[in-house]
Amino acid sequence: QKEVEQNSGPLSVPEGAIASLNCTYSDRGSQSFFWYRQYSGKSPELIMFIYSNGDKEDGRFTAQLNKASQYVSLLIRDSQPSDSATYLCAVTNTGNQFYFGTGTSLTVIP
Amino acid sequence: ETGVTQTPRHLVMGMTNKKSLKCEQHLGHNAMYWYKQSAKKPLELMFVYSLEERVENNSVPSRFSPECPNSSHLFLHLHTLQPEDSALYLCASSQELQTGELFFGEGSRLTVL
Repeated sequence: QKEVEQNSGPLSVPEGAIASLNCTYSDRGSQSFFWYRQYSGKSPELIMFIYSNGDKEDGRFTAQLNKASQYVSLLIRDSQPSDSATYLCAVTNTGNQFYFGTGTSLTVIP
Repeated sequence: ETGVTQTPRHLVMGMTNKKSLKCEQHLGHNAMYWYKQSAKKPLELMFVYSLEERVENNSVPSRFSPECPNSSHLFLHLHTLQPEDSALYLCASSQELQTGELFFGEGSRLTVL
């Protein structure tokens, strides 16, 4: 079983819509959760992190964590073409080991 | 310079060559990492250094040899690589060890012929 699983996509949404990216993890005791954005040909960049159950908002981005269901999601409101990228979910498990998912490719269509 | 810088950005080498990748961080961080990124696979952690001391080596073949001479510099020495080693090699740093808040360099794209 993979530590972190994401749907590879591609996910396509029209400009202005809400993009919803999901991630599940296997270690129930995981404590820290991260979303990285990686533009094509570029390196990953941290955009959000969340440690507690519930929602965390930062501008157009909202991270949602549900530890009981072992999933974390990223919502992007008012999606823009510049949001087109691969989004990597990452988790720190109970052994303090850090794992990335394979990423979900998002395309925002103008 | 700011952030994390990697050189070279692109490297083509034969299976018998010896080359090195260099990483430098200007953030004052205490931990540095080498990751391998291949298509359709998650980022693979290769090596972790904390204050110049190697703290993790994830079963990486010996043809990859890391070196951390100080807390700002990290090298990955390459020798007798295989074509399947072709990938993007990413260096990252973090303030403390394994915080999950990583700052990545732009990567070194390696092609092994």
